[in-house]
Amino acid sequence: TQLLEQSPQFLSIQEGENLTVYCNSSSVFSSLQWYRQEPGEGPVLLVTVVTGGEVKKLKRLTFQFGDARKDSSLHITAAQTGDTGLYLCAGACLYTNAGKSTFGDGTTLTVKP
Amino acid sequence: SAVISQKPSRDICQRGTSLTIQCQVDSQVTMMFWYRQQPGQSLTLIATANQGSEATYESGFVIDKFPISRPNLTFSTLTVSNMSPEDSSIYLCSVGRGDYEQYFGPGTRLTVT
Repeated sequence: TQLLEQSPQFLSIQEGENLTVYCNSSSVFSSLQWYRQEPGEGPVLLVTVVTGGEVKKLKRLTFQFGDARKDSSLHITAAQTGDTGLYLCAGACLYTNAGKSTFGDGTTLTVKP
Repeated sequence: SAVISQKPSRDICQRGTSLTIQCQVDSQVTMMFWYRQQPGQSLTLIATANQGSEATYESGFVIDKFPISRPNLTFSTLTVSNMSPEDSSIYLCSVGRGDYEQYFGPGTRLTVT
């Protein structure tokens, strides 16, 4: 079974601060996704990373895939209240799990005004 | 991407009854999944809905409790049978796209009394 551990589990910061969320595993993934979920809605895909060492930027969000494709990080610069939500990483392996993703246990981010 | 709708958005049901949740996609998709989620927590995969064949259930989930239909490539239903308060949760359907990306419906919030 592939496990994904996210840290921290909860994060509460002031608007304008920077933060990093980590997603770690002992398994190698073919691809890794980050999702954000707001209350009352389904998770929304933010990014997919597939190459070891890959860095992708989405406005104030920077995503990095580890060189060994076992871990990933999400960095938010100058957080805004609209960044509040549950952040989930999900990994999938081409050779196992028949196309299914393994989800991390989530990081709940609260950005206070 | 894909646009996914779910019905109902929420329901309150009595124990012992059954509820069928519908998931409609705006385009044909091969992979459809059903998840369960406690508020603020990660996703637990219930089953993969296969078109033209029986669903593939994850460990801990059985067809008698969670029968799934997939009559075509744009529609699926999940029934929660003989409900108990422990079934109170958010139920989400999703569709899979390239590189294991998933697009989620808005979820069905179920409360069993």
